[in-house]
Parts: sequence; C-alpha cells; structure tokens
Amino acid sequence: DAGVIQSPRHEVTEMGQEVTLRCKPISGHNSLFWYRQTMMRGLELLIYFNNNVPIDDSGMPEDRFSAKMPNASFSTLKIQPSEPRDSAVYFCASSLSGPAGEQYFGPGTRLTVT
Amino acid sequence: AQTVTQSQPEMSVQEAETVTLSCTYDTSESDYYLFWYKQPPSRQMILVIRQEAYKQQNATENRFSVNFQKAAKSFSLKISDSQLGDAAMYFCAYRSVLNTGNQFYFGTGTSLTVIP
Repeated sequence: DAGVIQSPRHEVTEMGQEVTLRCKPISGHNSLFWYRQTMMRGLELLIYFNNNVPIDDSGMPEDRFSAKMPNASFSTLKIQPSEPRDSAVYFCASSLSGPAGEQYFGPGTRLTVT
Repeated sequence: AQTVTQSQPEMSVQEAETVTLSCTYDTSESDYYLFWYKQPPSRQMILVIRQEAYKQQNATENRFSVNFQKAAKSFSLKISDSQLGDAAMYFCAYRSVLNTGNQFYFGTGTSLTVIP
C-alpha cells in the first residue's frame, strides 16, 4: 500500500485566497483525522471522521475551516479565506476504527500564507 | 477528555547511551491503548511502540521499550544504545477503547538530540 497520500506537499498562497488540502487514506481504514502542527501549539486535532461521518470537529479553529469526506477514499480540508496565522503543517492520518489500530500519518502539507 | 503530558520539551543523549522519555496521562477508563510516535526532521510520523493497558508486560521493539505503570498513569519510553537516527520529536498518545470515536490524544512532544 502507498500509505496515506496528501497533496500538495507544499502550498504558498496569499492572504484571502482559498486553500484546499487533499488526503487519500489507506484503503480499508475507516477513521480519518486532520491535524495541524505549529511550533507554538504543537500537534492539534482539527477534525476526525468515522465511516465518512464527521465525529468531532471541535478542533476546527474557525468557520473559515471546513472538511469533507465524500467517500471512503478521499477527504479535503478547506480554508477560505486563508490568513497568515494559518501557516502550519497539516497532517492527515487514517486508522482502523478499533482502539488497537495505530494511526498512519501522511507526509503532511506545509502551508505558507503570506 | 483525556490528557497526555510530556514534561520534557527537550532531551539529549550521548550516542550509544540510554535515554528515557516521560509521559503521563489522565483517564478514568480501565482499558485503553498507549502509543509512542517518532517524528524525524522529514516530518513523517512513525509508530515506535504500542501498549495495551490490560497487558501488564511492558512492550518492547528492538532498542525501544516502555515502562508502563498503570496505577501511576505513566508510560515512559526507553531508548537503548541510542543512534544518530533516533534524533527526532517523540510524541506519546492515548486511545480509548470505550470511546466509539476512538480519538487519539497526543502529548506536546519531546525533542531528542543524539550527541555523537
């Protein structure tokens, strides 16, 4: 398996622009997680899905952030409009929903908003 | 909600020596899973070791082992014969058995430097 795939790997955009980050989880995994990592806040859980259904989005910082999972093999995290403070590395991770399942992380998307 | 605490933001170890990274957690549950993840400079998060709470035996993976103290809610990671490639950020994580969402709770991480 190719592992969790994220695109793009790097994104540089100007403040006010819409940004869409993409994730393809490992086939067969039914839980998907979006994280944001910064030096200041560390690793923050933004939202996670079980069987394509959002379970907890309390970590989404503002209404500017939205996430979707239209099917078991694809998820998006959208920021509209983007702001410089959104600059971070965004990780997608997937796992089997049982508690023993480890999370497999994607390589991350480094977002820079100027 | 469960909390995971890593009280050592930074640690260093001499190559070939042993180092222990600390992790404590807060929970009212009796069964759960604990994990240590490694994040090298490449940013890729990699599972190092996993422990199930009801198993008393400490998990080991080659040079990596844990000291799981359930009553104390402590889950430390011991790295033996440290190598330069062990230099990374290490995260401790908790996952509930009962929580149907099976969310992971991560600590703030410990940055490990390996000195040649």
